[in-house]
Amino acid sequence: KQEVTQIPAALSVPEGENLVLNCSFTDSAIYNLQWFRQDPGKGLTSLLLIQSSQREQTSGRLNASLDKSSGRSTLYIAASQPGDSATYLCAVSPNYGQNFVFGPGTRLSVLP
Amino acid sequence: EAQVTQNPRYLITVTGKKLTVTCSQNMNHEYMSWYRQDPGLGLRQIYYSMNVEVTDKGDVPEGYKVSRKEKRNFPLILESPSPNQTSLYFCASSPEMGQASYEQYFGPGTRLTVT
Repeated sequence: KQEVTQIPAALSVPEGENLVLNCSFTDSAIYNLQWFRQDPGKGLTSLLLIQSSQREQTSGRLNASLDKSSGRSTLYIAASQPGDSATYLCAVSPNYGQNFVFGPGTRLSVLP
Repeated sequence: EAQVTQNPRYLITVTGKKLTVTCSQNMNHEYMSWYRQDPGLGLRQIYYSMNVEVTDKGDVPEGYKVSRKEKRNFPLILESPSPNQTSLYFCASSPEMGQASYEQYFGPGTRLTVT
């Protein structure tokens, strides 16, 4: 059964720092991996989708990488801002099942 | 605007009173699903639907029902809600499963409290 973990569970950094969030999954048989942002009590906003054949995707200050063979993805946030404060979730789409599997999330606080 | 909508956004109800949370998408997506999110447990899938009239159980289906009579709608039904169903519920859709380029789109969430 696919399991997804995220490290760290929480992270607090001063504004302007570059940071890395980690996502690990146990089975490399996936179609894609998706990173989301969730503000407290709100819905999920899709940030980046990496297909299984891709190594990375970029959107503005965000860069996500995927190493399928080792079961890892990282989300790199450059020049962090207080507005980046949120919980970041990763989810994988296994290619043997019909549901997406989510990690528990990393709660990020960027201090002014 | 392409979106997934849910109603109601907030609901407080009492144990045993049947309720329905509606979900609708305007993107002609084949795949729809329901999740619940609880502190410390993350997002867990309740039910999913591959297409009209095709539904199946996710990881935590007990106490819930769904139907998919139309492509755009996927309501979640709680026949006899209990306090342990107090949670934040999300509906999601995707063009279909099994394609690497397809991402999930989420609704804004429904916060349900059962007293």
